[in-house]
Amino acid sequence: AQSVSQHNHHVILSEAASLELGCNYSYGGTVNLFWYVQYPGQHLQLLLKYFSGDPLVKGIKGFEAEFIKSKFSFNLRKPSVQWSDTAEYFCAVNRRSSASKIIFGSGTRLSIRP
Amino acid sequence: DTAVSQTPKYLVTQMGNDKSIKCEQNLGHDTMYWYKQDSKKFLKIMFSYNNKELIINETVPNRFSPKSPDKAHLNLHINSLELGDSAVYFCASSQKTGNTGELFFGEGSRLTVL
Repeated sequence: AQSVSQHNHHVILSEAASLELGCNYSYGGTVNLFWYVQYPGQHLQLLLKYFSGDPLVKGIKGFEAEFIKSKFSFNLRKPSVQWSDTAEYFCAVNRRSSASKIIFGSGTRLSIRP
Repeated sequence: DTAVSQTPKYLVTQMGNDKSIKCEQNLGHDTMYWYKQDSKKFLKIMFSYNNKELIINETVPNRFSPKSPDKAHLNLHINSLELGDSAVYFCASSQKTGNTGELFFGEGSRLTVL
């Protein structure tokens, strides 16, 4: 069955530190990959997405993610975090052949110390 | 100009009661969803409708009954509420065509069952 794993449950960083959040999925077919962010008390919004082409994807607010097909990974990165990046981050995947079912990882809570 | 709107935002009720949550999207999307987010922030898909037709039903108890009167609306009715139903319920929509699968979320409806 299709699944998404986010290994870090809670990450605590100081401002200006670099960030990398891990995401691995288990599905051998062609997939679309997403990172969503949920700021405290708000709804989820799309941070970035990968469908095809350049495996290094740039999103909003300085975030980027790299799709490594051989590792079934789609890690999220940011070179220098800000206090306003404090949020819950969700990796998600769906099968290209079944666009309607998007599966989410369990989320990573990111706390930034000012 | 809210793209995906849900009502009510907060709902506090007693065990055994029946309640409904409504969702409307003005994005012209064909597909709508209900997701449940538990206290650990885990997001789980419950239902998906494409153009008023149920296409995903993820082993949700029969007490949960979605209804889609038209492709812009997807309501969720819950019978005989239980303590474990306490969660934030998110409505979302996506455009079926193009197979992108990107979701647009509502702000969530926080249900508390006492």
